[in-house]
Amino acid sequence: NAGVTQTPKFQVLKTGQSMTLQCAQDMNHEYMSWYRQDPGMGLRLIHYSVGAGITDQGEVPNGYNVSRSTTEDFPLRLLSAAPSQTSVYFCASKVTGANTEAFFGQGTRLTVV
Amino acid sequence: AQSVTQLDSQVPVFEEAPVELRCNYSSSVSVYLFWYVQYPNQGLQLLLKYLSGSTLVKGINGFEAEFNKSQTSFHLRKPSVHISDTAEYFCAVSDTGVGRRALTFGSGTRLQVQP
Repeated sequence: NAGVTQTPKFQVLKTGQSMTLQCAQDMNHEYMSWYRQDPGMGLRLIHYSVGAGITDQGEVPNGYNVSRSTTEDFPLRLLSAAPSQTSVYFCASKVTGANTEAFFGQGTRLTVV
Repeated sequence: AQSVTQLDSQVPVFEEAPVELRCNYSSSVSVYLFWYVQYPNQGLQLLLKYLSGSTLVKGINGFEAEFNKSQTSFHLRKPSVHISDTAEYFCAVSDTGVGRRALTFGSGTRLQVQP
């Protein structure tokens, strides 16, 4: 039972570098999302997708891009990393619907120096 | 738009004591309510949720929560905690409409169970 798989688990970037955080789910969920977790701020929504080919912005989208070419994958791209993007990133997936349970990956701890 | 306030950032408690973690929300529309738990170095997992019906909801690991519409609260309780309950707990809401279907999280409460 893989569920939601995120890679890498840890990453250190230099300011200005780019990278892609990978997220894959094997539950055939239409809805996928990316959150960042910062101390004292809970989880904040970056981007989400309601199906392949459809993405939209959350509350903190600046500096991040996403795409959804398949149901299974939802990568998050940092185009030019900044120290303010140091955070723990979580990918989640769920069956479409406001009342359904979200399944989370184990997170990617990103440090930008 | 919704917001969630978790009034306590940390709650220390002794093993076998009862605990209550407080959550208040604000929303202009009807919401569904959730509690998620995050164990160290792991992702979040669902503890329980309130959708409709009985205001007292039971979840996994002996936790329960009570929805109070007039006070816009959804407090989490456990009558007797164990060391293994040490974790961070997040209250979350989702509006019942078609919208984003995304969860809005509180800032979290770290439960520290001491022997």
